[in-house]
Amino acid sequence: GQNIDQPTEMTATEGAIVQINCTYQTSGFNGLFWYQQHAGEAPTFLSYNVLDGLEEKGRFSSFLSRSKGYSYLLLKELQMKDSASYLCAVMDSNYQLIWGAGTKLIIKP
Amino acid sequence: GAVVSQHPSWVICKSGTSVKIECRSLDFQATTMFWYRQFPKQSLMLMATSNEGSKATYEQGVEKDKFLINHASLTLSTLTVTSAHPEDSSFYICSARGISGESSEQFFGPGTRLTVL
Repeated sequence: GQNIDQPTEMTATEGAIVQINCTYQTSGFNGLFWYQQHAGEAPTFLSYNVLDGLEEKGRFSSFLSRSKGYSYLLLKELQMKDSASYLCAVMDSNYQLIWGAGTKLIIKP
Repeated sequence: GAVVSQHPSWVICKSGTSVKIECRSLDFQATTMFWYRQFPKQSLMLMATSNEGSKATYEQGVEKDKFLINHASLTLSTLTVTSAHPEDSSFYICSARGISGESSEQFFGPGTRLTVL
């Protein structure tokens, strides 16, 4: 079956760095997405990786290793507004998004 | 980025009534739209995929006669929850994928919170 695993919850300190991991097993692979979702709101797009390596976008970076079925989202210089759920999603061979359960990130002052 | 709107943002209705939710792509043409449901503290669950001009493809366990989807144009898809019951109360989110390619990202609408009394 298809499976996306990510930690349920993480806690970090304002100004610090946090890495949210995602491992996946899917039927085919057409890219991996990271989304941010604040409580009560729809997800917003953060990043898309389809080739191995690191993609950097300001304070956020996303890494992909297709051979290991592994990705991480790296958030630097954490701010209180980064408190949210972070969703990992993989596009399978049918171009359907398979969603992880999300990681709730709690930022403490 | 591309903008997707949903209407209404929230709705409260009595059990047994039907509710229609609209999803519009405002500045691009969406060949494919997706409807998701999200219960509190849970991840998004794909309900159905709709392609313009054809019947929607429903995920296993989603009743197609209860959740009617119409993708009449390249900018509009509607989800009608028929004979809604309290267990249908949820956050319904649509997303749209543009014409440019199947691997392009999905753009999400702001969601519709449905409460059935």
